[in-house]
Amino acid sequence: GAVVSQHPSRVICKSGTSVKIECRSLDFQATTMFWYRQFPKQSLMLMATSNEGSKATYEQGVEKDKFLINHASLTLSTLTVTSAHPEDSSFYICSARDRGRNTEAFFGQGTRLTVV
Amino acid sequence: AQSVTQPDIHITVSEGASLELRCNYSYGATPYLFWYVQSPGQGLQLLLKYFSGDTLVQGIKGFEAEFKRSQSSFNLRKPSVHWSDAAEYFCAVGGSGGYQKVTFGTGTKLQVIP
Repeated sequence: GAVVSQHPSRVICKSGTSVKIECRSLDFQATTMFWYRQFPKQSLMLMATSNEGSKATYEQGVEKDKFLINHASLTLSTLTVTSAHPEDSSFYICSARDRGRNTEAFFGQGTRLTVV
Repeated sequence: AQSVTQPDIHITVSEGASLELRCNYSYGATPYLFWYVQSPGQGLQLLLKYFSGDTLVQGIKGFEAEFKRSQSSFNLRKPSVHWSDAAEYFCAVGGSGGYQKVTFGTGTKLQVIP
């Protein structure tokens, strides 16, 4: 199946700093990528939909200035957590669907962010 | 709006027993349905999917699911559970097309006892 690579898998940062997470589709083109956040023992909550070449669409309640999304190419989307705080600590997962086929969403392995 | 309900937060079964995880969805058109499994601290792995055709779909690891449009359900089953099946299971619904988002249920945590 198609592969989505997410990097880094784990990151620890100091409060107030920014962290960038990358999501790459390795063997297919993804016009659209999705960013999810998962709190401990909870489900995946969609944060935003990332569209190649245009602005991301954020879900209600998600701060667009805090969670910056860039989708510069058909294979790469980035999520930057700006001025991170301990409450931003979470598991972030990206997913992508092959634009050419009606398939399932392929998920990255996730990024465990810890803000200290 | 699309949504998924997994009514069972936690299920415990004995190894070798059968398993059924429930999933009900709400979607305005023909849904694309998925079951994913997540081990602690890990990403998601697709177990199976339904797009069209035969309403009984087979997946990996011996799992199967049946799409019932009249009941808006997509329950996951396995005839004999193994200890390695202990994990969190998520049902999800999405639309056709690569631009359509996927919405997840709240998940069911499966515990397998010897």
